[in-house]
Amino acid sequence: KAGVTQTPRYLIKTRGQQVTLSCSPISGHRSVSWYQQTPGQGLQFLFEYFSETQRNKGNFPGRFSGRQFSNSRSEMNVSTLELGDSALYLCASSLDSGANVLTFGAGSRLTVL
Amino acid sequence: GQNIDQPTEMTATEGAIVQINCTYQTSGFNGLFWYQQHAGEAPTFLSYNVLDGLEEKGRFSSFLSRSKGYSYLLLKELQMKDSASYLCAVRDAPKLSFGAGTTVTVRA
Repeated sequence: KAGVTQTPRYLIKTRGQQVTLSCSPISGHRSVSWYQQTPGQGLQFLFEYFSETQRNKGNFPGRFSGRQFSNSRSEMNVSTLELGDSALYLCASSLDSGANVLTFGAGSRLTVL
Repeated sequence: GQNIDQPTEMTATEGAIVQINCTYQTSGFNGLFWYQQHAGEAPTFLSYNVLDGLEEKGRFSSFLSRSKGYSYLLLKELQMKDSASYLCAVRDAPKLSFGAGTTVTVRA
């Protein structure tokens, strides 16, 4: 059973650019959550998608957005990148919505120069 | 709002026991999770407590007191591979909020 797959694993962008990250959940999992992880801050919740609908959203600016496709794959986009957006972005999937046991992907490490 | 506190770092010797405490103040509570995260890897699920008491799973045990807003993760017979970050997370459905994590270093 394949795990949660995130692409790309590493990327470098410059301020003002935009980035799209992709997440393929475990087969059969319909909920996908996104987290930002930075040293000292821990995991900060971005948003959760279930059945192509955003179910919940964290306290991030509108530059952070996401979507989910009919096959449960999800993408998140960050526009007008800032230096402070440098972080590890983790995707996690679960069978249902409601923050049950999450299975995380290895993450996409974004560096903004 | 959510406030989840855990120590930043802990060091212990191989074969010893370490207890990682987690205190929380959240608007709601539907359960508490512990995750383990090795450097450069994804967090992996360790345990889940929703009722008061101790849950034992091999060398790892997790305890919860809902009235005190307190949990701990107990790691027994420490091994070098246990060196990792341990994340406490509180479910206030549908949200799951994480603490900043405790980095445990196991020394020979």
